Amino acid sequence: DQQVKQNSPSLSVQEGRISILNCDYTNSMFDYFLWYKKYPAEGPTFLISISSIKDKNEDGRFTVFLNKSAKHLSLHIVPSQPGDSAVYFCAASAGANSKLTFGKGITLSVRP
Amino acid sequence: EAQVTQNPRYLITVTGKKLTVTCSQNMNHEYMSWYRQDPGLGLRQIYYSMNVEVTDKGDVPEGYKVSRKEKRNFPLILESPSPNQTSLYFCASSLRGLIREQYFGPGTRLTVT
Repeated sequence: DQQVKQNSPSLSVQEGRISILNCDYTNSMFDYFLWYKKYPAEGPTFLISISSIKDKNEDGRFTVFLNKSAKHLSLHIVPSQPGDSAVYFCAASAGANSKLTFGKGITLSVRP
Repeated sequence: EAQVTQNPRYLITVTGKKLTVTCSQNMNHEYMSWYRQDPGLGLRQIYYSMNVEVTDKGDVPEGYKVSRKEKRNFPLILESPSPNQTSLYFCASSLRGLIREQYFGPGTRLTVT
């Protein structure tokens, strides 16, 4: 049973437009959520995170929104750039010393 | 430069031939972990270690072994590799109190024929 779900395998957007990447979770014990970005032939790198006590966290062009009642989070990238083309993994943990549970990932393509 | 290194980066081997994938980090991190990435399945944890001589199973430990004799190193051992262990493997590390913020190595592409 997958506890972190990224139901869309891919997303294609035009450069300059908004990219919205969605993630759903089932475990109500999760209290911290992260997005990792992965380029081909490289390991994932941490992008942005949000604690369950917040509903929004912003870092430059990247904003993560958390809807706890819906068990849903989303990553917004505005404006999207070709260099944002990568695989994005949603991850969650239940406590600071708890393991990360990852989603399947979504491949974002930003068209010039 | 703070980093996690893995060797080899690419490996093709045959069924049953023991192999070891090394992982080393230079950030003095207590926590280290191994993941495999497969199409349609995302990242799944194989084994993890909270500190030297402390290891535990992740979600998919079957067919793998690990050891943690030194803080910086966390090798992944496949005693008798099988084709279903063909995958992309990542090592990661973090501070013990910040397991949620892990640093990943560049990956090892393993093919077992």
